[in-house]
Amino acid sequence: ETGVTQTPRHLVMGMTNKKSLKCEQHLGHNAMYWYKQSAKKPLELMFVYNFKEQTENNSVPSRFSPECPNSSHLFLHLHTLQPEDSALYLCASSATGTDLYEQYFGPGTRLTVT
Amino acid sequence: DAKTTQPPSMDCAEGRAANLPCNHSTISGNEYVYWYRQIHSQGPQYIIHGLKNNETNEMASLIITEDRKSSTLILPHATLRDTAVYYCIVRVRGTGNQFYFGTGTSLTVIP
Repeated sequence: ETGVTQTPRHLVMGMTNKKSLKCEQHLGHNAMYWYKQSAKKPLELMFVYNFKEQTENNSVPSRFSPECPNSSHLFLHLHTLQPEDSALYLCASSATGTDLYEQYFGPGTRLTVT
Repeated sequence: DAKTTQPPSMDCAEGRAANLPCNHSTISGNEYVYWYRQIHSQGPQYIIHGLKNNETNEMASLIITEDRKSSTLILPHATLRDTAVYYCIVRVRGTGNQFYFGTGTSLTVIP
């Protein structure tokens, strides 16, 4: 257990559905991240939040909409996804800095878009 | 851009040392090398990181060549629980938060 939880662990959705992924950290951290891990591809950083403010968006399509209501919770709202969006979505958190070794990862949500 | 190259897979006998190589020939002079591992159905787990000197912690040792173009992660006494994908990671040059994970080495520890 890393102190970062993600729900659901598995999600199957159609291309016209709307769903949300949830991440919660119990570490008192102030920065939270969304990553995408596709099969046979390197891990991709999607969004970064520091003290609830979005500080980075790596050209992510608008069908992915993040929300950070407080420093402990992070959501990823999904709508009209494509089959190529099927992947493992990982959440991470860190205390203050954004150096990689400070990041604790959750177990991920395995998303399948049909 | 800084990238890493790792063998796609390796086997190691249980109880023996596992030596996982990584090439990062384009790394910047002031950038660290990080190692993470990912056990099936879990998120990446931090192992160790280093800049120039060799590093050791309770999980592993990291040997970095003098020219910093490559490194080796050493698991001194591999166990079955060390079976995972191991990622050698560097920061993408010119970015603050982006790190290049590559596709990693799938290590299988054999009984």
